Amino acid sequence: EIVMTQSPATLSVSPGERVTLSCRTSQSVGNNFAWYQQKPGQAPRLLIYGASTRATGIPARFSGSGSGTEFTLSISSLQSEDLAVYFCQQYGYWPPWTFGQGTKVEIK
Amino acid sequence: EVQLLESGGGLVQPGGSLRLSCAVSGVTFSSYAMTWVRQAPGKGLEWVSSISGSGVSTYYSDSVKGRFTMSRDNSKNTLYLQMSSLRADDTAVYSCAKALGALSQMGLDSWGQGTLVTVSS
Repeated sequence: EIVMTQSPATLSVSPGERVTLSCRTSQSVGNNFAWYQQKPGQAPRLLIYGASTRATGIPARFSGSGSGTEFTLSISSLQSEDLAVYFCQQYGYWPPWTFGQGTKVEIK
Repeated sequence: EVQLLESGGGLVQPGGSLRLSCAVSGVTFSSYAMTWVRQAPGKGLEWVSSISGSGVSTYYSDSVKGRFTMSRDNSKNTLYLQMSSLRADDTAVYSCAKALGALSQMGLDSWGQGTLVTVSS
């Protein structure tokens, strides 16, 4: 089973700042990797798949990078509506398909 | 627009059973693998089970294997999760989600709002 290590657990950021979230997998998953955003009381929303492809309707300020075992989600300029928990997920080595523990992004 | 609507959650006693349904619209249902994900209160996302578009292949997490059965009726555009021998640690919001494509393309691009399952005496 692939173990996911997501960091940091919590991030407090001012609007307009750049945000970088990280996720590491215990084995290579190629670029079979996704990022999700979950706002309070809402279902998760796919942001990035294939490690770097933005999903439909996702603003350009969100970008994903990485391959193998190290992945990054960046938000170029944080907006207040980006307050959420962000989860990573691998789908390159399955089953199981595994999620990271989540990073909570707070607005300073 | 793709829509997923879960139903069937509720309060059940330990050892009991429950069947969840997920009605899907706005997409050629049989073309996509589907997944159930659960989220315990205040916790993260946990993969529960996945099924191929045809329904021939199913996979389960170790925590539910032997107790849960996932199936689909492509003629009704509906996904199911039959849960038995329920335990307190099965308490969670259960959401169905659609894959980008086949089981190997398990980015989940559409989600339902979820249905709450509470296991308690």
